[in-house]
Amino acid sequence: LAKTTQPISMDSYEGQEVNITCSHNNIATNDYITWYQQFPSQGPRFIIQGYKTKVTNEVASLFIPADRKSSTLSLPRVSLSDTAVYYCLVGDEVDTGRRALTFGSGTRLQVQP
Amino acid sequence: EAGVTQSPTHLIKTRGQQATLRCSPISGHTSVYWYQQALGLGLQFLLWYDEGEERNRGNFPPRFSGRQFPNYSSELNVNALELEDSALYLCASSFPEDNQPQHFGDGTRLSIL
Repeated sequence: LAKTTQPISMDSYEGQEVNITCSHNNIATNDYITWYQQFPSQGPRFIIQGYKTKVTNEVASLFIPADRKSSTLSLPRVSLSDTAVYYCLVGDEVDTGRRALTFGSGTRLQVQP
Repeated sequence: EAGVTQSPTHLIKTRGQQATLRCSPISGHTSVYWYQQALGLGLQFLLWYDEGEERNRGNFPPRFSGRQFPNYSSELNVNALELEDSALYLCASSFPEDNQPQHFGDGTRLSIL
């Protein structure tokens, strides 16, 4: 079963690029990698999902190396409003068959002015 | 595009009462999921509905139930409310295929007095 490891917290400044790396050594062949953002007392917000190589959307990029044992969420030019907890979900945390997501501790990103 | 909407935003009940929470999915999404997030705890999977049928259920007692309507909106009903039912109840929706990301609403805060 896949298990993810993320840094507990990260600090950055407005305008900087932030990269959050998630390790998932036991990722299975069919597993996708999904990232969510959550603010206090709000539901998790889907950011991006990928299977391999690089995925980019209007808010972030997701880099996945060939072995897929890790992934990096890249947030370009962060602002104060990007201060939140970021979750990486893979494998049993996504639990495709049961559709039951399990969120770990995530990475708490603090953006300073 | 409208996101997942939940109502009411807040709900206050007393022990033994019944609560009904409502969710409207994103247009085109047929799968609806319910989660419970108690204060300071992670998300606990409650229910998954698709095409009006209950597809999967988390480890919750039978007094937690729900349904999905023909327009794919959903209700979560909690009977015989207990103090420990106080939590943020989150609804998510997705397309029906596997590996489709779940998109969350901002939840209903249920408080039991």
